[in-house]
Amino acid sequence: EVQLVESGGGLVQPGGSLKLSCAASGVTFSGSAMHWVRQASGKGLEWIARVRSKANNYATTYAASVTGRFTISRDDSRNTAYLQMNGLQTADTAIYYCTTTDDGGNSIFKYWGQGILATVSS
Amino acid sequence: DIQLTQSPSTLSASVGDRVTITCRASENINRWLAWYQQKPGKAPKLLIYTTSNLESGVPSRFSGSGFGTEFTLTISSLQPDDFATYHCQQYNTYSLTFGGGTKVEIK
Repeated sequence: EVQLVESGGGLVQPGGSLKLSCAASGVTFSGSAMHWVRQASGKGLEWIARVRSKANNYATTYAASVTGRFTISRDDSRNTAYLQMNGLQTADTAIYYCTTTDDGGNSIFKYWGQGILATVSS
Repeated sequence: DIQLTQSPSTLSASVGDRVTITCRASENINRWLAWYQQKPGKAPKLLIYTTSNLESGVPSRFSGSGFGTEFTLTISSLQPDDFATYHCQQYNTYSLTFGGGTKVEIK
C-alpha cells in the first residue's frame, strides 16, 4: 500500500520560511517523481513543484507563482521529499499535498498524502 | 501556462440524474487530461486519465470523452456518494494545471 505522509506545516509570519517533508512508503521511491500540489481554502488545486529521479538528474520544475521562493528536493536514502518555502506570503496559505508519479510516465496523480496546512499570517 | 476552464462551477442535481461537466483548455492538449473527485477534508481521488480511461475501482457510471481543447466528465446516474467536487487536470505540458473545480450539490 502506498503511503505519503506530510509533516512540517504550521503558522508562520509573512516573509518567513517553512520546510515541508513527505515520507513515502509502498512505492519505488528512487524511480518516482515527487510533486507538491496546494489548495487554498475554498479554491481549486494548484500544482507547484516536481523533482525527478536520479536517472533524470533530480531535475526540478516549478510553477511561476513559487519560482525563486520555493525549493523542492528529495533524499532517496530516506524515501522523503521536501519543500523549502521562503519569502512566504499570505497568498501561500493553503493545504499542501505531496503526490508521486512514475518518473518518465504520465504526470497523473494516483497517490496523494493527507495534506498539511501551512498558514501565513501576522 | 495552459488554462483549464470548468463549467459549471456548481451543479445541483438529484440522485439518478445524468450529470455532465465540461473542461475547456486554452490550447490543444491532445488527450492528456485527467479527472479527480474530492470530498471535503480529503485529498483528491483519481477517477479518469488520458481523457477516457477509468482508474481501477472507479464505478462504470463515470465516463470521460473529448480531444484537443474540449473534454467532458459524465456521471450516468448520480449516486449519493458522488456529491463532491470534481477537478480536471492537464498533463500535456508543464506547468501542470487544474481547472477551477465543479461542485456537485444535492438538489
